[in-house]
Amino acid sequence: AQSVTQLDSQVPVFEEAPVELRCNYSSSVSVYLFWYVQYPNQGLQLLLKYLSGSTLVKGINGFEAEFNKSQTSFHLRKPSVHISDTAEYFCAVKAWNFNKFYFGSGTKLNVKP
Amino acid sequence: DGGITQSPKYLFRKEGQNVTLSCEQNLNHDAMYWYRQDPGQGLRLIYYSQIVNDFQKGDIAEGYSVSREKKESFPLTVTSAQKNPTAFYLCASTSDSMNTEAFFGQGTRLTVV
Repeated sequence: AQSVTQLDSQVPVFEEAPVELRCNYSSSVSVYLFWYVQYPNQGLQLLLKYLSGSTLVKGINGFEAEFNKSQTSFHLRKPSVHISDTAEYFCAVKAWNFNKFYFGSGTKLNVKP
Repeated sequence: DGGITQSPKYLFRKEGQNVTLSCEQNLNHDAMYWYRQDPGQGLRLIYYSQIVNDFQKGDIAEGYSVSREKKESFPLTVTSAQKNPTAFYLCASTSDSMNTEAFFGQGTRLTVV
């Protein structure tokens, strides 16, 4: 089975500052990795995904993430955040050969003016 | 537009009652999932179904039941055996291609009164 650890439950940051949300995973097989965003009382929306190839993936809203196989990490970054980025962010992993997703416990990003 | 529809958005239940949450998708996806979300605990898998007329228990299936009679529909029943049902419930689906993400509905917030 797979597992995901999001190291920070909450991340406060000022508007226009850079941010990194950390995600580490565990798996004995190759995996696909995902980042989702959730606004209050809504479903999850895909930000970006890593399937194969380049380890740096770009997503919507200016977010990007880097897959590091040796450190089993998939950290999410944005060089300059906006108030509208305030939301909860979830990292997820899926084995290459089984259609079951595992989610982290989420990181709440709070962007302050 | 294709997507996943969950209804109702808000649901109130008296203790001892069974309630059914609806999930319908028109994405022609084979796999469907039910997750429960509680503050600080991320998403926990209740049940999933890879194909019509087949489903498997997830990590927290006790007190819940599902059916998958049609490809488009995957209703979740919260039974009176579920001791703490107040939560946000999310339905998701994905195609049978392993390298695709899960698509989510907008969620149902269930409150026991």
